[in-house]
Amino acid sequence: GAGVSQSPSNKVTEKGKDVELRCDPISGHTALYWYRQSLGQGLEFLIYFQGNSAPDKSGLPSDRFSAERTGGSVSTLTIQRTQQEDSAVYLCASSSGGRTNEKLFFGSGTQLSVL
Amino acid sequence: DQQVKQNSPSLSVQEGRISILNCDYTNSMFDYFLWYKKYPAEGPTFLISISSIKDKNEDGRFTVFLNKSAKHLSLHIVPSQPGDSAVYFCAASALGSNYKLTFGKGTLLTVNP
Repeated sequence: GAGVSQSPSNKVTEKGKDVELRCDPISGHTALYWYRQSLGQGLEFLIYFQGNSAPDKSGLPSDRFSAERTGGSVSTLTIQRTQQEDSAVYLCASSSGGRTNEKLFFGSGTQLSVL
Repeated sequence: DQQVKQNSPSLSVQEGRISILNCDYTNSMFDYFLWYKKYPAEGPTFLISISSIKDKNEDGRFTVFLNKSAKHLSLHIVPSQPGDSAVYFCAASALGSNYKLTFGKGTLLTVNP
């Protein structure tokens, strides 16, 4: 497809389990972002990848959260030992990369529910 | 602390009338502002942006106004159409970390036929 693809679209898990969320950015985009939106809140920045540079992980809320981007394309966000407060929509976005104030293209998100 | 505030959770307007969505910010380092639109079960899509060196940017039916002294921006939609019904997010970025957007909580706009 032409857009940012995220999977799964919905994930229900039990507290304490680990989850992996996947993002396929737009082909050729070198910049990739993860945001999350908790209920009633705005989008919250989590992490930013740009090319081969070290990612900006300043938005990750705890050390239970990690993300990697393999081969400069697909990214996986991993949440270990999930907690109920991790329930949110996790949104991935990509942009062409390397320029100031680029337009972000968002995927449809993964709705994570931690029971 | 909320650096980008959208104080109206919802707004309802009649088709053909003007919709005005408001946004306030507190961080004086913000120098670029954006509006995103989000339909249910979809990701946000970029609508319009404005740099802090301008006070107005227009794109078709959409105009964004920036008042730096008041740390306030607004999105005007004229004329409003039923297809404009969506959640509108205001976002801002700061010089030196322009990739990191700070979003407001959003305003649900409903345009009634």
